Amino acid sequence: QVQLVQSGAEVKKPGASVKVSCKASGYTFTSSDIYWVRQATGQGLEWMGWMNPSSGNTDYAQRFQGRVTMTRDTSINTAYMELSSLTSEDTAVYYCARAAQRDKLDYWGQGTLVTVSS
Amino acid sequence: QSVLTQPPSVSAAPGQKVTISCSGSSSNIGDNYVSWYQQLPGTAPKLLIYENDKRPSGIPDRFSGSKSGTSATLGITGLQTGDEADYYCGTWDTSLSAGGVFGGGTKLTVL
Repeated sequence: QVQLVQSGAEVKKPGASVKVSCKASGYTFTSSDIYWVRQATGQGLEWMGWMNPSSGNTDYAQRFQGRVTMTRDTSINTAYMELSSLTSEDTAVYYCARAAQRDKLDYWGQGTLVTVSS
Repeated sequence: QSVLTQPPSVSAAPGQKVTISCSGSSSNIGDNYVSWYQQLPGTAPKLLIYENDKRPSGIPDRFSGSKSGTSATLGITGLQTGDEADYYCGTWDTSLSAGGVFGGGTKLTVL
């Protein structure tokens, strides 16, 4: 069965960076894009960008340009999302999701809580 | 402020029907497929509808989707207490700041 398992919760200080991993299993990792979506506490979903695990091509939401980097390691079927220059407004749960097609995020990771606090 | 507009909350009694609207523009809903996600408390979102009106395997036909122009609607019939959740619409936006966009979410209460 398809699974996306994310890394554990993180606590970071303002100005630091965080790198969240998303390990895929149960399907061919390079066959579907990986999207990253975040959700602040009590708020809605926010699209951050996507990565093609086969080519490594990425596309980031404008508001995260210059601060986010999405990468992958195909040898271990894992995608990564790194966000830098963290502020308290980046405190949120970060999700990875498999995109069977652009409008079809059919499998989601369990989420990773990132807390930014001094 | 979300790009797509949803009502903050809707409610209905068990067994009844409810609809949730999602309003956008020509650069997003008007030009792209719409999907819907259900998020139960404390869990990750779950895909309910894609390509405006298609259900993934395992999603009961109590859930339906439709799209007209720059708006989309999620319908749920035969409401159950287990349907209490937040529901989000999503699509792609092909404007200058292209990318994925979501609605602000709608909290469904089954009275």
